[in-house]
Amino acid sequence: GENVEQHPSTLSVQEGDSAVIKCTYSDSASNYFPWYKQELGKRPQLIIDIRSNVGEKKDQRIAVTLNKTAKHFSLHITETQPEDSAVYFCAASIPRGGNNRLAFGKGNQVVVIP
Amino acid sequence: DAGVIQSPRHEVTEMGQEVTLRCKPISGHDYLFWYRQTMMRGLELLIYFNNNVPIDDSGMPEDRFSAKMPNASFSTLKIQPSEPRDSAVYFCASSGPRRSEQFFGPGTRLTVL
Repeated sequence: GENVEQHPSTLSVQEGDSAVIKCTYSDSASNYFPWYKQELGKRPQLIIDIRSNVGEKKDQRIAVTLNKTAKHFSLHITETQPEDSAVYFCAASIPRGGNNRLAFGKGNQVVVIP
Repeated sequence: DAGVIQSPRHEVTEMGQEVTLRCKPISGHDYLFWYRQTMMRGLELLIYFNNNVPIDDSGMPEDRFSAKMPNASFSTLKIQPSEPRDSAVYFCASSGPRRSEQFFGPGTRLTVL
């Protein structure tokens, strides 16, 4: 089945700097890749997603890039702010059967230092 | 829309007791997912439904766990009997037809003493 891994597990950045989190997946047939942000004690919330027919998507300070050949995609956060501190989960769709199922990574703890 | 609704938000119970968690998906969504989140294991898919029918329950830990979806607007996850190792946050999520985005509920924090 689909295996999703995230690196690094913890990332500390100075406020204003950029943060990059990388995610790898195993099933080349996956075609949907969302990123979720989870603040302490709250639910995971979708922040950005990308489909396999595009290589990059941007929404204000966040962007996601996809390399299908290498089977990895990355989350980029620019001009980081303290409120960006959270756990970020990547996921990849499990393609068989079209059942909307996602395989999640273990999460990255991002700490923005003021 | 109020989003995915879960109840209770917190549950503290003693080992051996029955626990029932409830979820109301977003109206119109035809997929419903139950997840368990712990520090050690991360976010685990327990079971999911499509049009009220269980599709894959391979993530359910053991026979003590069961889930039902009697109609399009309600699902339950039951643990009987509960054990301390069941302590976790349980999330329900739903997604709509022809869309892959999953929307999570606020979760139920379960503590089994």
